[in-house]
Amino acid sequence: AQTVTQSQPEMSVQEAETVTLSCTYDTSENNYYLFWYKQPPSRQMILVIRQEAYKQQNATENRFSVNFQKAAKSFSLKISDSQLGDTAMYFCAFKSSGDKLTFGTGTRLAVRP
Amino acid sequence: KAGVTQTPRYLIKTRGQQVTLSCSPISGHRSVSWYQQTPGQGLQFLFEYFSETQRNKGNFPGRFSGRQFSNSRSEMNVSTLELGDSALYLCASSLAQTLWDGYTFGSGTRLTVV
Repeated sequence: AQTVTQSQPEMSVQEAETVTLSCTYDTSENNYYLFWYKQPPSRQMILVIRQEAYKQQNATENRFSVNFQKAAKSFSLKISDSQLGDTAMYFCAFKSSGDKLTFGTGTRLAVRP
Repeated sequence: KAGVTQTPRYLIKTRGQQVTLSCSPISGHRSVSWYQQTPGQGLQFLFEYFSETQRNKGNFPGRFSGRQFSNSRSEMNVSTLELGDSALYLCASSLAQTLWDGYTFGSGTRLTVV
């Protein structure tokens, strides 16, 4: 079974600064996808960014980018130019073919004005 | 296009009762997954339905059941409610044609058991 670990329960960052959220996972699969989801107080989980395991190039979406280290099974999320609206719970998730989407325990990010 | 719709948004039930939650996926999405979210356990997978068939199941007791209709709408049912069933129940839909097809989540149903 796949496991996803987020070792930072809470993080805080000053507005306009950069923050990195950590995620590690364990799997014996070769083909899989990794995701970062954001859950603001509105409760709805929103997809932030995704990465295919076969792609060496790190995914980027505007201010969000990942550092994907396949050998180390690490998938960190970098948020640049942090904004107040980035305040939320962030979940790292893993999916392989035919299996469910597995989430980490989440990191609560607070952006300070 | 319309997102994933979960009803009701909030629900208060008494121990021993049963409850049914509904999820309408994005049009064209054939997969619906259910998750239970609690502060202590995080996001726990309940089950996934694809074209009316249960494709995956989590480690929940038989009191938790679900189904999917021909229009892809899904319902989950919890019988003999316990206090520990109080949680946010999230539904997610997906095209599920390739791994790349991500999941779109609804806003959840907040269930409180008293």
